[in-house]
Amino acid sequence: TQLLEQSPQFLSIQEGENLTVYCNSSSVFSSLQWYRQEPGEGPVLLVTVVTGGEVKKLKRLTFQFGDARKDSSLHITAAQPGDTGLYLCAGRPNTDKLIFGTGTRLQVFP
Amino acid sequence: DVKVTQSSRYLVKRTGEKVFLECVQDMDHENMFWYRQDPGLGLRLIYFSYDVKMKEKGDIPEGYSVSREKKERFSLILESASTNQTSMYLCASSFRTGGSTGELFFGEGSRLTVL
Repeated sequence: TQLLEQSPQFLSIQEGENLTVYCNSSSVFSSLQWYRQEPGEGPVLLVTVVTGGEVKKLKRLTFQFGDARKDSSLHITAAQPGDTGLYLCAGRPNTDKLIFGTGTRLQVFP
Repeated sequence: DVKVTQSSRYLVKRTGEKVFLECVQDMDHENMFWYRQDPGLGLRLIYFSYDVKMKEKGDIPEGYSVSREKKERFSLILESASTNQTSMYLCASSFRTGGSTGELFFGEGSRLTVL
């Protein structure tokens, strides 16, 4: 079974702080996605990265795919309470199946 | 808007009962998935289906079966529920990945408690 390990597992910060979440694997993925899940809801896609070294920005969120396509990071600048949620990375091997990471639960306090 | 609807948000069942979880999507997606979500373990794939009457085992299929008789509907069946199947169950759908981003659209989840 391919594994995607996320770190940290929990993150509790004040509004305005910066943070980085990591997603690591020993396997190569053809693409990698990041989802956010809010309480009582299913995960919602934030971004898909497909090229090694690719960087994508979504407002205050910056996503990077590792050069070897085995890892990814999510950086949030000046976190807001609305960023609170569970962040999940998900890697796609060369199939339709998506492998999810272990998740990072972020709490941003006002 | 894409809509994935799961039949029950909360269920409480007794050990040994048969449990049906239903999922319907309205976007004509080829692929449908069932995941279970447990704290610290992320989402683990139980079964998926890429076409009507087709099914593939995921990473944790033991104790579960699925049915896909129509393209829009994917059912998860627990033949004899056990306490270790207490979990959040998430259904998702997507287009076949070739030529698309492969985005998964999720339902709101079904929280099952087995007593």
